[in-house]
Formats: sequence, structure tokens, C-alpha cells
Amino acid sequence: DAGVTQSPTHLIKTRGQQVTLRCSPKSGHDTVSWYQQALGQGPQFIFQYYEEEERQRGNFPDRFSGHQFPNYSSELNVNALLLGDSALYLCASSPLPTSGQETQYFGPGTRLLVL
Amino acid sequence: DQQVKQNSPSLSVQEGRISILNCDYTNSMFDYFLWYKKYPAEGPTFLISISSIKDKNEDGRFTVFLNKSAKHLSLHIVPSQPGDSAVYFCAASDDTGFQKLVFGTGTRLLVSP
Repeated sequence: DAGVTQSPTHLIKTRGQQVTLRCSPKSGHDTVSWYQQALGQGPQFIFQYYEEEERQRGNFPDRFSGHQFPNYSSELNVNALLLGDSALYLCASSPLPTSGQETQYFGPGTRLLVL
Repeated sequence: DQQVKQNSPSLSVQEGRISILNCDYTNSMFDYFLWYKKYPAEGPTFLISISSIKDKNEDGRFTVFLNKSAKHLSLHIVPSQPGDSAVYFCAASDDTGFQKLVFGTGTRLLVSP
């Protein structure tokens, strides 16, 4: 049973560029959430997708956008990259939300470095 | 505004002894709490969770205790093993049903042989 997969594993970009990160959820999961983990911090919620719609968004600017495809995979796009966007980007998947207490399972992350 | 706090950045324990990791929260709307373990270069791995309707949940060597009145939870690992050495994150979600996890800053556990 494949877990959550993310690509690429590492990425180096320069300020002002745009980046797209990809995530495939765990088999049987249809909800995908994205988190940003800065060095020395806990993961911070960016947004969540279910049925190809953004359900909820954290405190991130509009430069951060996403998409979910019919096969439940998802992309995170970041425009106009800033040095402060350097972080580990984590994707998490969970089953159909019913109680709000479904456990989220994380992928290995994509480490983004902005120079 | 840090809604979930892990005040101990690190903890060292000898193999075989008990490890106790603590977590405090401020948002009274949180009703579901989770612990994740993270090794370097890997994503967080789910360990154990607890709903606010319970005060204890046990899974093998791992037990989570929840004190709602104190807004405090703790993770007990007994007995601790060297393979438990990792960063442990406490996370919480509220009762809106959106599964938005709020994480603490983590506690680095080192279990020495």
C-alpha cells in the first residue's frame, strides 16, 4: 500500500521565480492538505483540498495556490518566490472527512531553497 | 500567537526508562489531539491520537493523557528505545470538521543506550 508521495524531493529556485510541488495521496484518501515547515518550527497549515475545491486556508498570501485533480492528487504553486519561502513543504492526506477527526498521513516533503 | 506549545525543546532519557513529552494548548475549541514523530529527511509519522471525550489512550508502548481543564496533554513512552530518538510534534484540530492541524514546535527526544 503506497503511502503519500511527493515530488521533487529537493528544489532550488531564485527570488521571483515560480515553483510547483506535487503530491499523490495515500490509497483510499481523497483529502489533501499542505503544510510549510520552516527550520526549527512545527508545520504550518497552508490549505486543504477536497473534491477539487479548497476547503480551508491558513494564514498564507495569495502567492500560494493549489489544485486537486480528479484522481485526488494535488499541486502546490508558489509565485514570486521570496527568500522566506525556503522551507520543507509537506503534503498530508486523509480519508473522507466526516467527524473532523480523521488522521492525516504525511509524505516525505519537498525541501525548497530560494536563493 | 502560539496556540500549541511544547516548552521543552529537547529531552534525554536512558534506554528502558520512561520518556514524558508535554504539550499545552490555549484554544478551547480544540477537540482532537495527535502526536507525530519525525526523523530527519522524512515526513512526520503518526503515532497516537486522543479525542477530547477521553482522558487517556494507549497503543503499545505509547500512552497519551489529556487534561482538558489544564489544557495539557502528555505522551508517555515506556520503555524508551534508542529507535525512539526523533523530534516529536504535538498537534491539535478544532471542532469545525476541517482537520486543520495546529502544531507545536517539537521536542527532540534522545534515548541513549
